[in-house]
Amino acid sequence: ETGVTQSPTHLIKTRGQQVTLRCSSQSGHNTVSWYQQALGQGPQFIFQYYREEENGRGNFPPRFSGLQFPNYSSELNVNALELDDSALYLCASSLGVGRRGTEAFFGQGTRLTVV
Amino acid sequence: DAKTTQPNSMESNEEEPVHLPCNHSTISGTDYIHWYRQLPSQGPEYVIHGLTSNVNNRMASLAIAEDRKSSTLILHRATLRDAAVYYCILRDQSGNNRKLIWGLGTSLAVNP
Repeated sequence: ETGVTQSPTHLIKTRGQQVTLRCSSQSGHNTVSWYQQALGQGPQFIFQYYREEENGRGNFPPRFSGLQFPNYSSELNVNALELDDSALYLCASSLGVGRRGTEAFFGQGTRLTVV
Repeated sequence: DAKTTQPNSMESNEEEPVHLPCNHSTISGTDYIHWYRQLPSQGPEYVIHGLTSNVNNRMASLAIAEDRKSSTLILHRATLRDAAVYYCILRDQSGNNRKLIWGLGTSLAVNP
């Protein structure tokens, strides 16, 4: 148990629809990152939020957007879903953005299937 | 972004040590070396990280080459529960973007 919870665990959506995935970070953690993991691949970084502001983004189009709330929980929103968006979406929380390497705690992920 | 190279798969016997190699020849001075593992149907799990010196924790040891162009994750006594995909990742701490860049990892099989 990492203390990071994601909801829902599984989701099926139709192409063109919009989806919102949710993540509750570990207590005291102020940084949340989102990753997309296709089958058989390593996770791909989508973006990161620190104290409610985006402070890093990977190579994902603008239809992938996010939010971080004052309690540091987070949402990932994907508009105009495409079939290739089918993947496991992972949320990771960590503490701070200091110069020391810090470990990230991952949730179990949300399995999104777009049909 | 600096990249890492790992073998696609490795095999070990239960209760034997396992050495998982990782090459990162383009590592920069501010990159930390992180290892995570992912068990089937689960999110990744932190294993260990280091910068220059060798590191030990309850899960594993991390041996870092003097030139930092390679590292080795050491599981001292493999168990069946250690069967997972192990990812070696570089994390840049110098700027504001502290993303983890993941490769394909090494799939470790542990034989009873």
